[in-house]
Amino acid sequence: NAGVTQTPKFRILKIGQSMTLQCTQDMNHNYMYWYRQDPGMGLKLIYYSVGAGITDKGEVPNGYNVSRSTTEDFPLRLELAAPSQTSVYFCASSPGVGTEAFFGQGTRLTVV
Amino acid sequence: AQSVSQHNHHVILSEAASLELGCNYSYGGTVNLFWYVQYPGQHLQLLLKYFSGDPLVKGIKGFEAEFIKSKFSFNLRKPSVQWSDTAEYFCAAGSYQLTFGKGTKLSVIP
Repeated sequence: NAGVTQTPKFRILKIGQSMTLQCTQDMNHNYMYWYRQDPGMGLKLIYYSVGAGITDKGEVPNGYNVSRSTTEDFPLRLELAAPSQTSVYFCASSPGVGTEAFFGQGTRLTVV
Repeated sequence: AQSVSQHNHHVILSEAASLELGCNYSYGGTVNLFWYVQYPGQHLQLLLKYFSGDPLVKGIKGFEAEFIKSKFSFNLRKPSVQWSDTAEYFCAAGSYQLTFGKGTKLSVIP
């Protein structure tokens, strides 16, 4: 039982490049989330999903896109990378509304 | 809008000292409360959670938290910290999504 798996663990992007952060969970959770973590700022919610085919914006969605075609996968897309997107990104899943979230190991992204 | 405030940015303690980290939340309805811990270079792990019932909840590694509804607080406590408790601690409140506080960094000096 792997839990929540994120790839890649590290990535350096040039300004204007695009990339997809992958997230997969094997716990059959309906709820999935993408957070970014910046020093001293805690975790901010980018996007979340309450089930396959349903996504919604969180607190800081600008510059990102998501899709949820299956229960297991919730990829995060950066279309035009900017230095402000340098951060650590965490994917998480939970079995229900307002319940405990299980986190992936994170992706450290640097945009130069 | 839901929000979570953590009172301390950085706490430094000696081993065996007692710990209390403050957390206040604002939300109009029923909310679930959590404390997560993040050890250096790692992802967040759940310490404890409160959904309902006994307002004093016990978690892993000797941590506990008390929910005080009248004060909208959910403070984290540990009677005697160890060097291995050095980490960042996040309070979170959940209804349809989880909202996190900014975190409190705990440094325990041997």
